[in-house]
Amino acid sequence: KNQVEQSPQSLIILEGKNCTLQCNYTVSPFSNLRWYKQDTGRGPVSLTIMTFSENTKSNGRYTATLDADTKQSSLHITASQLSDSASYICVVSGSGGYNKLIFGAGTRLAVHP
Amino acid sequence: DGGITQSPKYLFRKEGQNVTLSCEQNLNHDAMYWYRQDPGQGLRLIYYSQIVNDFQKGDIAEGYSVSREKKESFPLTVTSAQKNPTAFYLCASSIGGSRTEQFFGPGTRLTVL
Repeated sequence: KNQVEQSPQSLIILEGKNCTLQCNYTVSPFSNLRWYKQDTGRGPVSLTIMTFSENTKSNGRYTATLDADTKQSSLHITASQLSDSASYICVVSGSGGYNKLIFGAGTRLAVHP
Repeated sequence: DGGITQSPKYLFRKEGQNVTLSCEQNLNHDAMYWYRQDPGQGLRLIYYSQIVNDFQKGDIAEGYSVSREKKESFPLTVTSAQKNPTAFYLCASSIGGSRTEQFFGPGTRLTVL
């Protein structure tokens, strides 16, 4: 069964600290993996997208890694800011059909001053 | 939120009533999607349309209906047959085909009283 699991479910960190969010997937065949940021009550916004041949991609203070062999990805946030408080969703796309996406349940991050 | 708009942002309806959620995009995207988001769960696909006048059921289509009469519009009707309609509904669009990025609207929160 195609699944995407994220950990932890929620996380609280202090402003300025770093954190790493995890994503494990069982989607096969695999096309790409994306990380989205979703503010409360808003739609998700794309942070990074990686194909199986890419093992790291950065977007400002956000760095995503991908290990296609172990089917794991991580999102590292550097020097967190209050505005980083949001849910972070890992999404995996299979390589067939109509661009079906498999969504993780997300990690809810709270950055405190 | 890009060029995708959803209205209204909040919607309240009595049990047993049908309700239609609006989704419009000006990105000239061929494909459009409707998702449902519930607390603690990943987004689930309700319906998708790859081209005008064509649409397909997603994973949880029961109790929902859609139309795609225009490229820029993809309204979702939540019917009285949907047993648990209270949720956050997200519309998305993409250029089309597999492996293309989906852009999300701001969402509509539907509460059935």
